[in-house]
Amino acid sequence: GESVGLHLPTLSVQEGDNSIINCAYSNSASDYFIWYKQESGKGPQFIIDIRSNMDKRQGQRVTVLLNKTVKHLSLQIAATQPGDSAVYFCAETKTGANNLFFGTGTRLTVIP
Amino acid sequence: DGGITQSPKYLFRKEGQNVTLSCEQNLNHDAMYWYRQDPGQGLRLIYYSQIVNDFQKGDIAEGYSVSREKKESFPLTVTSAQKNPTAFYLCASALKSSYEQYFGPGTRLTVT
Repeated sequence: GESVGLHLPTLSVQEGDNSIINCAYSNSASDYFIWYKQESGKGPQFIIDIRSNMDKRQGQRVTVLLNKTVKHLSLQIAATQPGDSAVYFCAETKTGANNLFFGTGTRLTVIP
Repeated sequence: DGGITQSPKYLFRKEGQNVTLSCEQNLNHDAMYWYRQDPGQGLRLIYYSQIVNDFQKGDIAEGYSVSREKKESFPLTVTSAQKNPTAFYLCASALKSSYEQYFGPGTRLTVT
């Protein structure tokens, strides 16, 4: 299920199930989006990116979906594994900007 | 090995002392960034630099200072003016033409 933690939304899934992590972005002018994974005590790692001229992009076990109409981004993880347990951040920017803007993140917990 | 390093991993200081966090990268990246992360929170931008000898304030620059004398290095000083310095500090770098930021492992600073 999904619940709101101290500050961070959380998602718990059974090992082997698919996970869907959602992100509402703020700027309708944003045209580039990245998903990062951050394990406890470590720096974020790039997972997958997508440009606004695409609705869907697939990587290895991950798929990112972009709905520009409602400014919504989702990350789907297939056959979730214990090693997928982490905090997942979406980041947005627009061409010409100097930086990425990060969301609050979602904590994914995989139950063995 | 190519990468971005931060040192030390853990740092303890007394209130009223300035402290400098190290960030080094050998990826030949032009841009470097400093973020602050509080528990259960997203990343907030402190300072960034697109080129040597030039840097810009981010969203929460007050109480911090940086320098960019070399392409490889972007040290962050947390001054005594920073009211709440205890946090996890992340450094990142990126190619000038890319928004994909590579993160270091982070430094956890505790000020008492």
